[in-house]
Amino acid sequence: AQSVTQLGSHVSVSEGALVLLRCNYSSSVPPYLFWYVQYPNQGLQLLLKYTSAATLVKGINGFEAEFKKSETSFHLTKPSAHMSDAAEYFCAVSAWGGSEKLVFGKGMKLTVNP
Amino acid sequence: GAGVSQSPSNKVTEKGKDVELRCDPISGHTALYWYRQRLGQGLEFLIYFQGNSAPDKSGLPSDRFSAERTGESVSTLTIQRTQQEDSAVYLCASSLGSGVQETQYFGPGTRLLVL
Repeated sequence: AQSVTQLGSHVSVSEGALVLLRCNYSSSVPPYLFWYVQYPNQGLQLLLKYTSAATLVKGINGFEAEFKKSETSFHLTKPSAHMSDAAEYFCAVSAWGGSEKLVFGKGMKLTVNP
Repeated sequence: GAGVSQSPSNKVTEKGKDVELRCDPISGHTALYWYRQRLGQGLEFLIYFQGNSAPDKSGLPSDRFSAERTGESVSTLTIQRTQQEDSAVYLCASSLGSGVQETQYFGPGTRLLVL
């Protein structure tokens, strides 16, 4: 079985500051990992995904995430926050040989202050 | 191209009534998923359809919940005898294939409020 932990529920950064959203996973088999973003009143949009190729994954809008097996982590980063990044971010996991369903973390609301 | 669409966008109902939620997946997508997002929670998997295979119903919380899919097109999620704890956003997603690495594309959701 797979699970995802996103500690905390809110992160606040200043415009131009580093964005770091943490995600730790648990999986008994090699995982596939996803970050989704949900803007207010919109559906979820895929930011990036790890599918066992390069461990550093680049996504849309300047976001990237690094898969670290030793730390069971898949943290999301962006060097410089923009006001438009304010949204809720969800980490999710699926796994080869497992169900196709995604298992999501509880989400992290990002606020960007001017 | 059109994305995943869901209707209605909002639904208010009284406790005990039945509701039907609709999902139109992206054309050509063989896999379709329903998730539920309760306030302050992550998404919970409800049910998964892949082509003509038997659906994976392992996430349905009770026998009041059911879903159907017509071929590889429209799906309806039905909640019978709604309860207040059913209040949530119900999200539908579709993917091109059934592999665990496939990207799921989400609709905007149906916000259900049970009074």
